[in-house]
Amino acid sequence: DAGITQSPRHKVTETGTPVTLRCHQTENHRYMYWYRQDPGHGLRLIHYSYGVKDTDKGEVSDGYSVSRSKTEDFLLTLESATSSQTSVYFCAISRGGGNSYEQYFGPGTRLTVT
Amino acid sequence: DAKTTQPTSMDCAEGRAANLPCNHSTISGNEYVYWYRQIHSQGPQYIIHGLKNNETNEMASLIITEDRKSSTLILPHATLRDTAVYYCIVRVEGTGGFKTIFGAGTRLFVKA
Repeated sequence: DAGITQSPRHKVTETGTPVTLRCHQTENHRYMYWYRQDPGHGLRLIHYSYGVKDTDKGEVSDGYSVSRSKTEDFLLTLESATSSQTSVYFCAISRGGGNSYEQYFGPGTRLTVT
Repeated sequence: DAKTTQPTSMDCAEGRAANLPCNHSTISGNEYVYWYRQIHSQGPQYIIHGLKNNETNEMASLIITEDRKSSTLILPHATLRDTAVYYCIVRVEGTGGFKTIFGAGTRLFVKA
């Protein structure tokens, strides 16, 4: 357990509405990540952060934005949700040092866009 | 980007060793190989990682070939609770640090 919580755990929203998912960590780790997981696609990296206000895109970043104003929180925003963004979203942190980092994942947020 | 190739699925009898292979032929000299697993709808769980030496911990062993182009994760005595999707990953360096790209993984079925 790396002290990672995600909120909300479940959300149903309508197409076109903005949605923000929150990832919170308690161990002051530098790296944080957002993934989505869909049947048949495994885990796909959306965005990641390597420090406060430092973020980079992943494999599937279109339609998503992120913010990290403090070390412990990494927010994922869907500016205008679409049905294709129905998915399970996982947050993760990296723990380690040097060239070696292992990731620990939160419990996930199940988002349904109707 | 260094990519990995894994079989789609494997079966293993309960109590026997499960050997999960992974090919990573484009791995570079300083990239580690990581293994994770995901049980049903839970978040992925870190298992083990290594650079070039074999590694063992309380969950599994990792055998990396001398040329580092492939590796094998070994669960020495598989149980029904080890049924999961197993991911072999090589971290990829991004703009500000390392980002991890997951593939489809291997679905391991442990049968009684």
